[in-house]
Amino acid sequence: ILNVEQSPQSLHVQEGDSTNFTCSFPSSNFYALHWYRWETAKSPEALFVMTLNGDEKKKGRISATLNTKEGYSYLYIKGSQPEDSATYLCASMMDSSYKLIFGSGTRLLVRP
Amino acid sequence: ETGVTQTPRHLVMGMTNKKSLKCEQHLGHNAMYWYKQSAKKPLELMFVYNFKEQTENNSVPSRFSPECPNSSHLFLHLHTLQPEDSALYLCASSQDSSSSTEAFFGQGTRLTVV
Repeated sequence: ILNVEQSPQSLHVQEGDSTNFTCSFPSSNFYALHWYRWETAKSPEALFVMTLNGDEKKKGRISATLNTKEGYSYLYIKGSQPEDSATYLCASMMDSSYKLIFGSGTRLLVRP
Repeated sequence: ETGVTQTPRHLVMGMTNKKSLKCEQHLGHNAMYWYKQSAKKPLELMFVYNFKEQTENNSVPSRFSPECPNSSHLFLHLHTLQPEDSALYLCASSQDSSSSTEAFFGQGTRLTVV
């Protein structure tokens, strides 16, 4: 994989549903994996920065896992709320030069 | 409020105009970045500045000219742009460009070239 790919592109869920999305990235020369949340008309906001294989991070109802050997990360949202509606971006750093390669994002809409 | 402020928020310019985008952060960060998001494309890195020195130019055309007078301010000077340069331009900062710490983004400048 030469690019960072995210799936699905968009997702509509009902309030209270749990959901997850995938980020695939080049596994060679891996340095770090970032997740950002981007609400409409606001700035992208960092959720997690992950560096270690097998790492799992959690912030409230949102958690993420990392597999650097196979080049993927999952983002989970438990009990989705309408305020979780946003675009979720992942970005891979392949070395220490801070060249973040972004995926196209997963657009999440949570219906009340 | 992320601590990174961009002005203007919206800009319409003609192809012969010269304009500048401004970014400011008072987070004590030493690295600043310009990103571009064109319609239906991922965020794309344009320039990286670390301790006021440009460390990355991601093959950006010379009609985009960055300037970093100090670690808190970053400019993007624009001249003789093309309609296809219309996009959202985002500024970001981080502790420095060699660590894996999170980036803090501004809200962006929505640029339209007519």
